[in-house]
Amino acid sequence: SQKIEQNSEALNIQEGKTATLTCNYTNYSPAYLQWYRQDPGRGPVFLLLIRENEKEKRKERLKVTFDTTLKQSLFHITASQPADSATYLCALRMDSSYKLIFGSGTRLLVRP
Amino acid sequence: NAGVTQTPKFQVLKTGQSMTLQCAQDMNHNSMYWYRQDPGMGLRLIYYSASEGTTDKGEVPNGYNVSRLNKREFSLRLESAAPSQTSVYFCASSLRGQNLNTGELFFGEGSRLTVL
Repeated sequence: SQKIEQNSEALNIQEGKTATLTCNYTNYSPAYLQWYRQDPGRGPVFLLLIRENEKEKRKERLKVTFDTTLKQSLFHITASQPADSATYLCALRMDSSYKLIFGSGTRLLVRP
Repeated sequence: NAGVTQTPKFQVLKTGQSMTLQCAQDMNHNSMYWYRQDPGMGLRLIYYSASEGTTDKGEVPNGYNVSRLNKREFSLRLESAAPSQTSVYFCASSLRGQNLNTGELFFGEGSRLTVL
């Protein structure tokens, strides 16, 4: 079955730096990959989607890359701010499937 | 718009008791989902409903039942609660079929269930 791995250790960075989070998956390649943000006590909120035929997608300070050879997606937040502190989840959807499989998330802490 | 609304937000049960978690969405979405979230385990899909009138098992369906009452509502029932079902439960919906480009999920705020 598909397995998704995200770094379970929190990422602690200084304000203004670029945060880079990793999502690795095993087995077959997904049709597309999504990234969500989750704040404590809240439900996840969709941020970005990248398809299997795309290498990079940007939205404001966010950038996602997708390497189907390495089976890896990188999520970057440039010029990070304390308000970016949250847990970030990656999720995969297989082609023609309604199932969205989530990683366990990586917590990001941005120090002022 | 309220988006996805879940009730109750908190619940404490004793082992063997039953309860139903309610979920409603006002975005006219086709698909609805129930996930549970446990520390270190991420979100795991319990059941989903691709469209009104259909339901399918996800990764961890044992001990749960669902009902897609209509297009808006999707309930999750625990018939005989067990301590292993202590978790945070999230309902979500998506506009499948009309926007295949994203398939993004819209989540509720969660229902925190403790089974003693």
